[in-house]
Amino acid sequence: QSALTQPASVSASPGQSITISCTGTSIDVGGYNYVSWYQQHPGKAPKLMIYDVTNRPSGVSARFSGSKSDNTASLTISGLQAEDEADYYCSSYTSSSTLVFGSGTKVTVL
Amino acid sequence: QVQLQESGPGLVQPSQTLSLTCSVSGDSIASATYYWSWIRLPAGKGLEWIGRIYNGGSTSYSPSLKSRVTISVDTSKNQFSLKLNSVTAADTAIYYCARTQRARWFDPWGQGTLVTVSS
Repeated sequence: QSALTQPASVSASPGQSITISCTGTSIDVGGYNYVSWYQQHPGKAPKLMIYDVTNRPSGVSARFSGSKSDNTASLTISGLQAEDEADYYCSSYTSSSTLVFGSGTKVTVL
Repeated sequence: QVQLQESGPGLVQPSQTLSLTCSVSGDSIASATYYWSWIRLPAGKGLEWIGRIYNGGSTSYSPSLKSRVTISVDTSKNQFSLKLNSVTAADTAIYYCARTQRARWFDPWGQGTLVTVSS
């Protein structure tokens, strides 16, 4: 299974909004509403930010939201803050009952 | 609150077997509610799902690693383990264990452990 496709980097100024895309195929992203998103700061373990496309775990800021259209899922961060600077990964369930991650996106707050 | 902690050798010789253990506290690994996964992060690359195990020993592995991977569980110690055989330098990575909910999202994660494959 191939990694899902994410942009290598996204940058914006504080207060702006950004959207990170995660593109797969009909056997993963497009076939299920089972996409999750993770934030990883350097040297730290990944943290769950969104599950099942749109759901936000308790404790995660409402500035983070998820959506999906066809084979592409998206993570939007509104009101960008310095603490949001990190790597972000999507993950999807697949038709083989396995899981696959995206290639990862580095978010830079200018 | 559930916590996971990886342990095992930080250095493995090429062609040998990488063995790691994940100790779980605050939750029973025998619970039918959760799956338990291994994930790795090679330097300069992205996350890679290795595989998962479910109550009773049912497993699922990444197709690219399936021929070399075994994940098992020890309910008496509340631990699950990873074995990856015939390792090469390409297997050098930070290895994470994670509780997997409904077989499809990871929360929480262990802190990770670096394994280097080198002679």
